[in-house]
Amino acid sequence: QVRLQESGPGLVKPSQTLSLTCTVSGGSISSGAYYWTWIRQHPGKGLEWIGYIYYSGSTYYNPSLKSRVTISVDTSKNHFSLKLSSVTAADTAVYYCAREHSSPQGGWFDPWGQGTLVTVSS
Amino acid sequence: EIVMTQSPATLSVSPGERATLSCRASQSVRSNLVWYQQKPGQAPRLLIYGASTRATGIPARFSGSGSGTEFTLTISSLQSEDFAVYYCQQYNNWPPYTFGQGTKLEIK
Repeated sequence: QVRLQESGPGLVKPSQTLSLTCTVSGGSISSGAYYWTWIRQHPGKGLEWIGYIYYSGSTYYNPSLKSRVTISVDTSKNHFSLKLSSVTAADTAVYYCAREHSSPQGGWFDPWGQGTLVTVSS
Repeated sequence: EIVMTQSPATLSVSPGERATLSCRASQSVRSNLVWYQQKPGQAPRLLIYGASTRATGIPARFSGSGSGTEFTLTISSLQSEDFAVYYCQQYNNWPPYTFGQGTKLEIK
């Protein structure tokens, strides 16, 4: 059974870069069968898709975040990472990683990591 | 960007009764719609994909229907563990994938 686990600092200062890693266990990112995704949820609010990466390194980002987001993958460590630059308080959220099941049209997310709260504050 | 609108924001239903949750897309997403359940302090859990296909392990009391712009999640006989927030998500037009704002299903 595939499990995902987010890790990284819970507090980031404004204007700095948020960095998180998602470690995958019980399955290989390199299998090529799935995409690997970051999603966030602002406190008490809905869900926002950030972007995904394929094991080959190809990425797709939310246009609203594209200028500040980088998602990378390390297949040797079976993990993928998120960097979000120039953060502000509006980036305070619970960040989830998830596996994307892809159809010809697009995809859905299962399973999800437990999520990690990142607070942007000085 | 496709906007997903869920209604109602909060739904109060008694255990054992039926719950009907709605999701509307700002333009057609065909049948490319997903439903998730989220309990407090937990990550969302996949319930339904392709508008009507239950995910592995999801009880038969959960059913999804609809296509185009109007979708429904029905829980036929509410159990105590079903009280949660439910989100819809479209995957027809992306990027970005977009989610509804959620419906909170609470005990009446």
